[in-house]
Amino acid sequence: IAGITQAPTSQILAAGRRMTLRCTQDMRHNAMYWYRQDLGLGLRLIHYSNTAGTTGKGEVPDGYSVSRANTDDFPLTLASAVPSQTSVYFCAKPGAYSGNTIYFGEGSWLTVV
Amino acid sequence: AQTVTQSQPEMSVQEAETVTLSCTYDTSESDYYLFWYKQPPSRQMILVIRQEAYKQQNATENRFSVNFQKAAKSFSLKISDSQLGDAAMYFCAFNFGNEKLTFGTGTRLTIIP
Repeated sequence: IAGITQAPTSQILAAGRRMTLRCTQDMRHNAMYWYRQDLGLGLRLIHYSNTAGTTGKGEVPDGYSVSRANTDDFPLTLASAVPSQTSVYFCAKPGAYSGNTIYFGEGSWLTVV
Repeated sequence: AQTVTQSQPEMSVQEAETVTLSCTYDTSESDYYLFWYKQPPSRQMILVIRQEAYKQQNATENRFSVNFQKAAKSFSLKISDSQLGDAAMYFCAFNFGNEKLTFGTGTRLTIIP
C-alpha cells in the first residue's frame, strides 16, 4: 500500500523480549513515521525521520527506538517489550505528489503477553 | 499543542442515506491541512479526503464532502448515498508544514441495510 511494506503482519511476543518491526518504502521519500493505534486513543506518533541519518521523537517514544541507516528502511525496535506495548503499529510516509498527505502501510499487530 | 476532537464515538446510518461525522481541532497555525481517513475491518488506513486550510472551497471526492469552517475550527465529513462498504472507523487528522499528523480518536460508522 502506497509503496510501504511492513513486517511482520502480526506477532505474539513474550514480555521482556526484543522485537524489531520492519518498514521499507520503494519510493525513496525522505520522511517516514511510526504510529501506534490503541482503542479509544486513535493513532499516536512514536518516532519519525525527516531524512536518512536523522530521527526524532514523537508523542509516545518511551520504550521504542528507531534507526534510519538509508532512505528506504525505517525499523522500529522494542528493546524489552511490555504488555502496554500491545498495539497495532503503522509505518507511514508522505505522498509523492502531495507532501502533506501521509500514507500508511498495512500495519503490524503486536501482542505482548 | 494541536488537538483534534471527534465527539461521536459511534454513528449509524441507513443505507442510501446521508450522514455527517463531526471533527473540531485546535491550533494556532494559519496554514495547515486536514484529512479524513477510513479504517475498515481490514485495518488498512485509507485516505478519504484532504483539505488545505488556505482554500475556502470545500473539498469533495465523489460521495464524500467536507464542511470546513476555519473560524470555528470545524471540519465535518458528509457521506452521501451511504453504502455498506462505507462501514468503518473514520479518523479526522491535522498537520502543518512538518507533515506529522495529529489524529482524533475516531468515529465508528455502522451502515444499516
